[in-house]
Amino acid sequence: AQSVTQLGSHVSVSEGALVLLRCNYSSSVPPYLFWYVQYPNQGLQLLLKYTSAATLVKGINGFEAEFKKSETSFHLTKPSAHMSDAAEYFCAVRTLYSGAGSYQLTFGKGTKLSVIP
Amino acid sequence: DVKVTQSSRYLVKRTGEKVFLECVQDMDHENMFWYRQDPGLGLRLIYFSYDVKMKEKGDIPEGYSVSREKKERFSLILESASTNQTSMYLCASSSNHGHSIDTQYFGPGTRLTVL
Repeated sequence: AQSVTQLGSHVSVSEGALVLLRCNYSSSVPPYLFWYVQYPNQGLQLLLKYTSAATLVKGINGFEAEFKKSETSFHLTKPSAHMSDAAEYFCAVRTLYSGAGSYQLTFGKGTKLSVIP
Repeated sequence: DVKVTQSSRYLVKRTGEKVFLECVQDMDHENMFWYRQDPGLGLRLIYFSYDVKMKEKGDIPEGYSVSREKKERFSLILESASTNQTSMYLCASSSNHGHSIDTQYFGPGTRLTVL
């Protein structure tokens, strides 16, 4: 079964500092991996996804993530944090739901990012 | 742009009431999903549907049912609401085709409070 683990339920960074949000996955097959962002009182929005092409994936709002098979990681980074980046971030892995033969997403528990002025 | 809409942003119901949460997507997606989101637990899948009139249980289906009579609409039903069903409910849809295959698009959520 596929799963993801997000290290750190809360991360605080200063405005202008590097953002690093950690995600490790477990998968018996080559994984498809996703990062989503949720702003307060909103639904989830796709930031980026990895589908076995380039290992460095660029997303919206200056975020990027690197797939590292040897470390089973897919960490999310942004060089310089902005106040508007304060949100909750979710890592997800595509999972085959055996009962239906269809693909789902299994989400991590989320990391809440605070940006300090 | 894909648009997923949910019938209510905020809902307050009483214990024992029957509750309907509606979700509509406008991108002709085959798959639709219902999640609940609780602090510290992330998103948990309640039910999903991969075709009209088809439904599959997710990880936490107890106390819920669903209906998908039309491709664009997926309803979540709480037959008899209980206080432990107070939560944020998120609907999503995805396609089996094209460059956005398997990417789930989310609605804004319904925050349900059961008193």
